[in-house]
Amino acid sequence: GDSVTQMEGPVTLSEEAFLTINCTYTATGYPSLFWYVQYPGEGLQLLLKATKADDKGSNKGFEATYRKETTSFHLEKGSVQVSDSAVYFCALTTSGTYKYIFGTGTRLKVLA
Amino acid sequence: KAGVTQTPRYLIKTRGQQVTLSCSPISGHRSVSWYQQTPGQGLQFLFEYFSETQRNKGNFPGRFSGRQFSNSRSEMNVSTLELGDSALYLCASRQGDSGNTIYFGEGSWLTVV
Repeated sequence: GDSVTQMEGPVTLSEEAFLTINCTYTATGYPSLFWYVQYPGEGLQLLLKATKADDKGSNKGFEATYRKETTSFHLEKGSVQVSDSAVYFCALTTSGTYKYIFGTGTRLKVLA
Repeated sequence: KAGVTQTPRYLIKTRGQQVTLSCSPISGHRSVSWYQQTPGQGLQFLFEYFSETQRNKGNFPGRFSGRQFSNSRSEMNVSTLELGDSALYLCASRQGDSGNTIYFGEGSWLTVV
C-alpha cells in the first residue's frame, strides 16, 4: 500500500540555521504531496503542497519540490526561527482514495 | 470564515463506556474525514464522508463508527472504550472531491481510564 517515510526526530537547530527534513513516499497512483505543521496542543495546519511532479510548494520561507524520480518531497528552510519549533508531517493522498497517509512526524526544536 | 470546529475539546471516559465526538466543517465543505493521533501509531485514517455517504474506512474495529448529516456536520462514536483508545481525534474538512486540501480542527482529546 501507499506509505510515507520521514526522517526521525527530534531535530535541534540554532536560530538562523538551514533546515532539511527528508520525506520519501511510495504510491501506486499519482499522489498529491503535503507538509503539515502541528504546534503544541493544536491540530494540523497546512504548510505547503504540490500536486504534480516538479511542482514546488512554498510558504513562510519553507519550500519542498515534488521529485517523482526519487519519490521525495523534502522540506527546506534557509533560516529557521524559534517560532518554527513544532512537529512537521509529510503526507500524501491519491485521487479516489479519499484519505491522507501521514508520515510519523519530525519534531523540530529551534534554540535562540 | 470559521474553521473546523470540534467538540468537546477534552474528555475523560471510563473503560467500557461509549463516546460521541462532533465536528462542524468549514462552511461550504462537504467532505469530512476523521483521524486518530497517538504517540505510538501516529496519524491514522478512520473514515471519510461526502454528502452523508461513507466513501472510505480505515483499519479500525467495528467499535468505531461515524456518520454525516445533511448539513455536512459529522459525528464519530466509539463504543466499549478501551485504554488504547486514548488519543487525539482530529476531524478535517475539504471543499470538493478528492485531491483538494483538507483542513483540520484542533481535535478532541480523549482519555480512557
